[in-house]
Amino acid sequence: GQQLNQSPQSMFIQEGEDVSMNCTSSSIFNTWLWYKQDPGEGPVLLIALYKAGELTSNGRLTAQFGITRKDSFLNISASIPSDVGIYFCAGPGNAGGTSYGKLTFGQGTILTVHP
Amino acid sequence: DGGITQSPKYLFRKEGQNVTLSCEQNLNHDAMYWYRQDPGQGLRLIYYSQIVNDFQKGDIAEGYSVSREKKESFPLTVTSAQKNPTAFYLCASSPKGARPPYFGPGTRLTVT
Repeated sequence: GQQLNQSPQSMFIQEGEDVSMNCTSSSIFNTWLWYKQDPGEGPVLLIALYKAGELTSNGRLTAQFGITRKDSFLNISASIPSDVGIYFCAGPGNAGGTSYGKLTFGQGTILTVHP
Repeated sequence: DGGITQSPKYLFRKEGQNVTLSCEQNLNHDAMYWYRQDPGQGLRLIYYSQIVNDFQKGDIAEGYSVSREKKESFPLTVTSAQKNPTAFYLCASSPKGARPPYFGPGTRLTVT
């Protein structure tokens, strides 16, 4: 099956710092999704990207759909303690498709923010 | 309040017993999904259903069963055939069309 590789696996930063993480695939995707999961809770959708080259913001979060359609990036500016959690990228399991029936997830980036 | 409800939050069972996890949504979503999450790993798809009375296997369906008799409900049964049932189970739903799924709060199942 397809795999999504997230980098880095974990990050330890000081409050106020900016954060960058990325997700790569060996197959093309027509959609990239970024979710955040708080400890013991279900993931929450942060940003959805539908077009190669697209740059979308949600508050302090900015995500980009790579022009090769094989990668995506998530940036968090001026981090705060509540940014702590696991960030997942995801995309439709059928490469190049748009069906969410078989969503593929990356393994996640664990973010720790020190006050 | 619209949303996805999973109950209970924590579930404990003895090895060899079947157990059913509940998932209910009042979002009027057509599609529903079950994912499994293990520590340090991403989510893996167990089963999904795009319409009532129809469902498909995901990547790790062995040892699990589901039903979709009502649009609002998609229960998951973890059978004794599942070799490593202890995990965090997440239910999700999405509206018709190419729309991302929304997740419930999850059920943590521990089998000893």
